[in-house]
Amino acid sequence: QKEVEQNSGPLSVPEGAIASLNCTYSDRVSQSFFWYRQYSGKSPELIMSIYSNGDKEDGRFTAQLNKASQYVSLLIRDSQPSDSATYLCAAAGYNFNKFYFGSGTKLNVKP
Amino acid sequence: DAGVIQSPRHEVTEMGQEVTLRCKPISGHNSLFWYRQTMMRGLELLIYFNNNVPIDDSGMPEDRFSAKMPNASFSTLKIQPSEPRDSAVYFCASSPDRGRAGELFFGEGSRLTVL
Repeated sequence: QKEVEQNSGPLSVPEGAIASLNCTYSDRVSQSFFWYRQYSGKSPELIMSIYSNGDKEDGRFTAQLNKASQYVSLLIRDSQPSDSATYLCAAAGYNFNKFYFGSGTKLNVKP
Repeated sequence: DAGVIQSPRHEVTEMGQEVTLRCKPISGHNSLFWYRQTMMRGLELLIYFNNNVPIDDSGMPEDRFSAKMPNASFSTLKIQPSEPRDSAVYFCASSPDRGRAGELFFGEGSRLTVL
């Protein structure tokens, strides 16, 4: 099993809907997780970090961490066409000496 | 604040040539990472520096790749000799040790094409 796994998608949602992106992780990573957004031809950009079990909200974005089930989710409410991008889930190794990235989920928000 | 600065943005070279990619991290960040991204393999960590010292280079594919960080504001990734399979986007990222530790700030990347 890879350290971080994601469904590559694409995930298509209509404008205004909730987009749900999921990620699972192995025991080889720490309990620090990050969501990056990468537009086509651009570099990854950090949008959310989560360290504790439960939910963390920031505007239209909510990150969810479930340690018992070893998954991390990103919910995007009121999805906009500008949210169309690839979303990368990342987990830090212990001592933050490595960051493991998933392969990314491509999100398409249709007007 | 200036972000992570990488050069060149694009490089096209022929097989066998030497390629040098450069990176200037965000001032005050103690950690620097070199990643490679391809469609097939996604983002791969090549090497990680902390306080200018290479901590983990287990991701460096082979001896053709080398990286240096002579000071806190500059790092290079060198490929010699280059091969077509090295074609990829190479990202440099920096991160602070404290406060927002674990948050990577990426440069715009260097797109390398080896013919």
